[in-house]
Amino acid sequence: DGGITQSPKYLFRKEGQNVTLSCEQNLNHDAMYWYRQDPGQGLRLIYYSQIVNDFQKGDIAEGYSVSREKKESFPLTVTSAQKNPTAFYLCASAEGQGLNQPQHFGDGTRLSIL
Amino acid sequence: AQSVAQPEDQVNVAEGNPLTVKCTYSVSGNPYLFWYVQYPNRGLQFLLKYITGDNLVKGSYGFEAEFNKSQTSFHLKKPSALVSDSALYFCAVKTYKYIFGTGTRLKVLA
Repeated sequence: DGGITQSPKYLFRKEGQNVTLSCEQNLNHDAMYWYRQDPGQGLRLIYYSQIVNDFQKGDIAEGYSVSREKKESFPLTVTSAQKNPTAFYLCASAEGQGLNQPQHFGDGTRLSIL
Repeated sequence: AQSVAQPEDQVNVAEGNPLTVKCTYSVSGNPYLFWYVQYPNRGLQFLLKYITGDNLVKGSYGFEAEFNKSQTSFHLKKPSALVSDSALYFCAVKTYKYIFGTGTRLKVLA
């Protein structure tokens, strides 16, 4: 079955540590996205990529970094510069460059501070 | 500024009754509108979309949505609610990026 796989499901970060969240899709989608979800705030866009080797900052990119070396993979690194990383992180993909296509979501990674 | 508003944090409805979850938007140009549902500790699942054409859009699980251009609304509806419909619902508009509402929690009471 085609879909998006996020791992790990739960992740704990120590002070000063960088952590990387994995996102893999086998839908052959060009566009991929990372969102942060906090209670009562909906989804906020961190980074997005419409094609391999290219990505753009979203609304809350500070303290995060991404890469898009392969079409199927879009890992997110939460750096030590992100002072409030506790949240539910969602990865999504869409066909083409996502012009009017729905997004397909993974089941998320919940990140907490130790 | 382009935005999406879901004015109700929570909607309660009795099983078997019709349900409505409200969404209004503010965008320049023609909007692409979407509804998604989220169950606990899961990602969002696509329900339906409006691109152009008929104002009443039918989607998954018996849901439908009515696009009203004059009121800039895209309310989600279902004629008869099920307990299993209880979840968090998000409205979204697509311009050069997706903009999501803050979500409405639907509780269907048995």
